[in-house]
Amino acid sequence: DIQMTQSPSSLSASVGDRVTITCRASQGISNYLAWYQQKPGKVPKLLIYAASTLQSGVPSRFSGSGSGTDFTLTISSLQPEDVATYYCQKYNSAPRITFGPGTKVDIK
Amino acid sequence: EVQLVESGGGLVQPGRSLRLSCAASGFTFDDYAMHWVRQAPGKGLEWVSGISWNSGSIGYADSVKGRFTISRDNAKNSLYLQMNSLRAEDTALYYCAKDMESVVISGVFDYWGQGTLVTVSS
Repeated sequence: DIQMTQSPSSLSASVGDRVTITCRASQGISNYLAWYQQKPGKVPKLLIYAASTLQSGVPSRFSGSGSGTDFTLTISSLQPEDVATYYCQKYNSAPRITFGPGTKVDIK
Repeated sequence: EVQLVESGGGLVQPGRSLRLSCAASGFTFDDYAMHWVRQAPGKGLEWVSGISWNSGSIGYADSVKGRFTISRDNAKNSLYLQMNSLRAEDTALYYCAKDMESVVISGVFDYWGQGTLVTVSS
């Protein structure tokens, strides 16, 4: 089975900082990679799919890139409302799906 | 407005069964694949099971295969998860999630319910 890892597991940054989260697959998954945001006590929300396609309504400060095994989620200018845990998810073998372990983002 | 409302969670003893339901509205239910995703307290997301629009394609996580059964009733706009032989490690908030693609299973979830809590304990 393909394993998903994320780094860092947590980070603390200042408002306005550029934040980058990395997701790595143990084998190539082309661009079958999505990113979700889960704010504390809330339901997960789809941010990005197909590695770089922004879901409708998601602020443009969020962007995704990568293909194959290495992917990144970037927040260009961190906002207080971005405090959340971010999960990557592979779906190249749908319906079998795997989430990464998550990256918790806080404000410094 | 898309709405997914889960029900059926509760406290159950190890080894017993429970059936979760998800009532869908605001979209053409029988056009989309659907999934169950769970989250243990303080832990990450774990995909549990998915089913295509016509029940022709079904998948399970290894952790639940042989114990859980997903099904759907398109006439009732409802998704189900029959959970048998429950274990303590099945304790989690169970979310119903809509697949973003019609007809095929993409594995991308564009809408989520609020979840129903399942606690397995003696």
